[in-house]
Amino acid sequence: ETGVTQTPRHLVMGMTNKKSLKCEQHLGHNAMYWYKQSAKKPLELMFVYNFKEQTENNSVPSRFSPECPNSSHLFLHLHTLQPEDSALYLCASSPTSSGRAKDEQYFGPGTRLTVT
Amino acid sequence: GNSVTQMEGPVTLSEEAFLTINCTYTATGYPSLFWYVQYPGEGLQLLLKATKADDKGSNKGFEATYRKETTSFHLEKGSVQVSDSAVYFCALSGPNTGNQFYFGTGTSLTVIP
Repeated sequence: ETGVTQTPRHLVMGMTNKKSLKCEQHLGHNAMYWYKQSAKKPLELMFVYNFKEQTENNSVPSRFSPECPNSSHLFLHLHTLQPEDSALYLCASSPTSSGRAKDEQYFGPGTRLTVT
Repeated sequence: GNSVTQMEGPVTLSEEAFLTINCTYTATGYPSLFWYVQYPGEGLQLLLKATKADDKGSNKGFEATYRKETTSFHLEKGSVQVSDSAVYFCALSGPNTGNQFYFGTGTSLTVIP
């Protein structure tokens, strides 16, 4: 596998379910990101991890819980979501999250989430 | 604050037509500017970038010039192909944006044979 991979590619869940999204990068990067992509809206940065430490949380509701066990893996744990949380969730990585190195972001294909 | 505004789509062109997708920005300091492309079913891919005023980014026949005086970074291609059909995102990042990338809303391009 090369680049940034995400699983599952599609997920349908009820509002009372608990699920997790997984992201893995094979680029040797140290920073990883979660973005939310909704129709007709700019990409929204949700979380940033640099060397496994969370460095950014953009006022994301607590029903979204990130986890970064190492620099290659990033998870997004989901529980009691709302229908408006339906979107494409994109993972990205970069060499680090500061300076010019953060400008080289590589994106995964995304997980299409539908909350019913 | 920082923001990116790009032209709304969708844009439909015939093959070999000239493409322009407008992008303007608001930023403090001197950001870097980017165009990303998203093909159907895939994540965003960096298409080109420019890091300072008057720089021209280019890749795969696409070009964009960093215009500080007009705060613009318009994407152009002289002759589009069907394979260029995708969604194009303008974005900025810089020393005053912390960890943030600021993306536009995306412009969908469809090229018909």
